[in-house]
Amino acid sequence: DAGITQSPRYKITETGRQVTLMCHQTWSHSYMFWYRQDLGHGLRLIYYSAAADITDKGEVSDGYVVSRSKTENFPLTLESATRSQTSVYFCASRTGNNSPLHFGNGTRLTVT
Amino acid sequence: SQQGEEDPQALSIQEGENATMNCSYKTSINNLQWYRQNSGRGLVHLILIRSNEREKHSGRLRVTLDTSKKSSSLLITASRAADTASYFCATDALSGYSTLTFGKGTMLLVSP
Repeated sequence: DAGITQSPRYKITETGRQVTLMCHQTWSHSYMFWYRQDLGHGLRLIYYSAAADITDKGEVSDGYVVSRSKTENFPLTLESATRSQTSVYFCASRTGNNSPLHFGNGTRLTVT
Repeated sequence: SQQGEEDPQALSIQEGENATMNCSYKTSINNLQWYRQNSGRGLVHLILIRSNEREKHSGRLRVTLDTSKKSSSLLITASRAADTASYFCATDALSGYSTLTFGKGTMLLVSP
């Protein structure tokens, strides 16, 4: 089925470990995004990508790395996880301006 | 920083009643979008209103936009228990890349 898939759905990791969250979309949308959702903060943009090999930082990018070697994949890596990165992470995609965002179902990450 | 701010933060109504949520934003926009999020799921796009539009309808949803006041409202008519969810407004800025900035959301509870 067409859509946007995030994996894993749940992840528990320890402080200092590297962890990668995966995102895959089947629409060939140009734009892809990573948001984190925290109580009291709503959704905040971490990184976005306008096309393969084009990425840019969002509001809360410190401690995160992204890559986009293929249009359909946009993995998010926490280089050295911290407790403050405990959150729900959402990947999204869109065709461009004046178009809606399509969201995955999220990855709930707990850093112990 | 948040661009859109929803009001109220929480709203509790009975089935059959109308629910109104408001959104204020700070900078000039290309369009404004409303999303719904059911517990534990990703956000789902509801409606997009462009900056040159004043009102838009979709089923039981009515969205208004007042660019002079930098505000929007979402009206859900004849609410159902299934409308229980969090609702977010998101703004597509006039300048810059194709990123959406979200508010913190309104939590709507519709009781049978």
